[in-house]
Amino acid sequence: GAVVSQHPSRVICKSGTSVKIECRSLDFQATTMFWYRQFPKKSLMLMATSNEGSKATYEQGVEKDKFLINHASLTLSTLTVTSAHPEDSSFYICSARDLTSGYNEQFFGPGTRLTVL
Amino acid sequence: EDKVVQSPLSLVVHEGDTVTLNCSYEVTNFRSLLWYKQEKKAPTFLFMLTSSGIEKKSGRLSSILDKKELFSILNITATQTGDSAVYLCAVDSGGGADGLTFGKGTHLIIQP
Repeated sequence: GAVVSQHPSRVICKSGTSVKIECRSLDFQATTMFWYRQFPKKSLMLMATSNEGSKATYEQGVEKDKFLINHASLTLSTLTVTSAHPEDSSFYICSARDLTSGYNEQFFGPGTRLTVL
Repeated sequence: EDKVVQSPLSLVVHEGDTVTLNCSYEVTNFRSLLWYKQEKKAPTFLFMLTSSGIEKKSGRLSSILDKKELFSILNITATQTGDSAVYLCAVDSGGGADGLTFGKGTHLIIQP
């Protein structure tokens, strides 16, 4: 199956700093990537849809100025958590859709554990 | 607002038992329903269902969709301790954001 990678897998930062998370589709092109966050023992919540070459679409309640998304190419999307605070600590997961598969299947990255001190 | 409801939220059984996990949904535009298994990290894909009444099978796991009654079940037979995980149901409704709407998951624990 298609492979999606995320980097870093784990990051610890101080409050007020910015953190960038990369999501890459390794063996397929993805015009659309999705960013989710998951709090402990909770389900995944869609944050935004990242479209290559255009602005991301954010879900209600997600601050676009705080969670900056850039979809620079067909294989790379980045999520930058700006001025991170402890309440931003979470598990961030990206997924990508393989357009050539003809299905709606999304492939998930391994996730990034963000801890803000 | 799209909704996906899974039941039970938590289930503890003994190795060898058969379990059935439930997922019901209310969405504006249904495209597909997906089942994932989540252990420590990101979810791993199990099944994608688009048509009613057609069972999908992979080893001891099987799933079926009922688009009339708006639910799906995931069956696991002859459970093993390695089946312990959170099982997530998600619906692709093709909404504005085009992402998936997830249920809260069923936390399955298989005791030896």
